[in-house]
Amino acid sequence: EAQVTQNPRYLITVTGKKLTVTCSQNMNHEYMSWYRQDPGLGLRQIYYSMNVEVTDKGDVPEGYKVSRKEKRNFPLILESPSPNQTSLYFCASSAISGGASDTQYFGPGTRLTVL
Amino acid sequence: AQSVTQLDSQVPVFEEAPVELRCNYSSSVSVYLFWYVQYPNQGLQLLLKYLSGSTLVESINGFEAEFNKSQTSFHLRKPSVHISDTAEYFCVGGSMNAGNMLTFGGGTRLMVKP
Repeated sequence: EAQVTQNPRYLITVTGKKLTVTCSQNMNHEYMSWYRQDPGLGLRQIYYSMNVEVTDKGDVPEGYKVSRKEKRNFPLILESPSPNQTSLYFCASSAISGGASDTQYFGPGTRLTVL
Repeated sequence: AQSVTQLDSQVPVFEEAPVELRCNYSSSVSVYLFWYVQYPNQGLQLLLKYLSGSTLVESINGFEAEFNKSQTSFHLRKPSVHISDTAEYFCVGGSMNAGNMLTFGGGTRLMVKP
């Protein structure tokens, strides 16, 4: 089954404790991205990757890091989480790199709470 | 810069009634427009999209949206809703100028009541 998976689905942590949220897709997609969803703000893009070893900032990259060492994986790293990073996070992928017309496939989401 | 505005944060409606979820966009270049649906505790799924050609696009579950360039709108409609349509709906825009970056509206929660 074609899918985007994220782990963990739920995470409660404390300020300053480094964490990683994993994302993996099995569709051989070139493009992957991370979004955060906050009430009334829709989804805002954090980082995206056009292909292996190619990443770039989205609208709200502060406090986050990413890496793309393999085509299927795109982990999101919070080096020193803060309470304002409490949010619902989605990973997404699409087949075409550099095309805003492509359908995005979303993971199930990771709900992060930073105390 | 492109922006997407969903005019209603919540839309309550009774089952079998018609519904319209409003979306306006701003862009000076060719646009791509999407509606995504998020069912409770799930990720977003594509409902329908407009890329070019016919301005009326339809989904497999009875929703339709019309691209209106003069009014810069892409409203989503369904003539008769079901309880199972209860979800959050996002209008999303992309443009040739913005590469693969998409702009999301704030979302509209559709609440279908029996």
